Amino acid sequence: EPEVTQTPSHQVTQMGQEVILRCVPISNHLYFYWYRQILGQKVEFLVSFYNNEISEKSEIFDDQFSVERPDGSNFTLKIRSTKLEDSAMYFCASRDENSYEQYFGPGTRLTVT
Amino acid sequence: SQQGEEDPQALSIQEGENATMNCSYKTSINNLQWYRQNSGRGLVHLILIRSNEREKHSGRLRVTLDTSKKSSSLLITASRAADTASYFCATVPGYSTLTFGKGTMLLVSP
Repeated sequence: EPEVTQTPSHQVTQMGQEVILRCVPISNHLYFYWYRQILGQKVEFLVSFYNNEISEKSEIFDDQFSVERPDGSNFTLKIRSTKLEDSAMYFCASRDENSYEQYFGPGTRLTVT
Repeated sequence: SQQGEEDPQALSIQEGENATMNCSYKTSINNLQWYRQNSGRGLVHLILIRSNEREKHSGRLRVTLDTSKKSSSLLITASRAADTASYFCATVPGYSTLTFGKGTMLLVSP
């Protein structure tokens, strides 16, 4: 069964460093999402992406964040200058155009020290 | 409370019993979805109910939706130890973005 994959599974970085989280959505899906979950809190929407552009973003997704689909298979989330409060699980999700069901990846645990 | 708040926060039952989780939300929705998350893992879609539907079944899952009360319930019948997980409702107020609640932690003891 096709699945969303994410790398790395765990990323440790120092405050102020740039990180890139990578996702490979399901191949025939057209809608892509990033969510995050701070430990013990709810899953929060960050950004949605369709047709090579951002379709919606939350207040969390400020100028420090960017997304890219560099090569037709990968979908990346970049945080330019990480802060301690960026420590969280980051989930990528994708869906096809015929369903509202989103398929989530296993997540990347980002730890900012 | 915020969009998509589950109740109870935690539920502990024995195998074979039924588990009921509730979700309340504030704004109008296009659809409501339930997801499961095993500890430290990604979310798995369980079931979707559209705003014009009142009840839906999928295997041992039954979900109801009352748009007048802005609430939904998820019933898991004949629970198993493998059902132990956190369960989240997610509303779709707009086109597709999911707004999650804090979840219900379900513990099913053998």
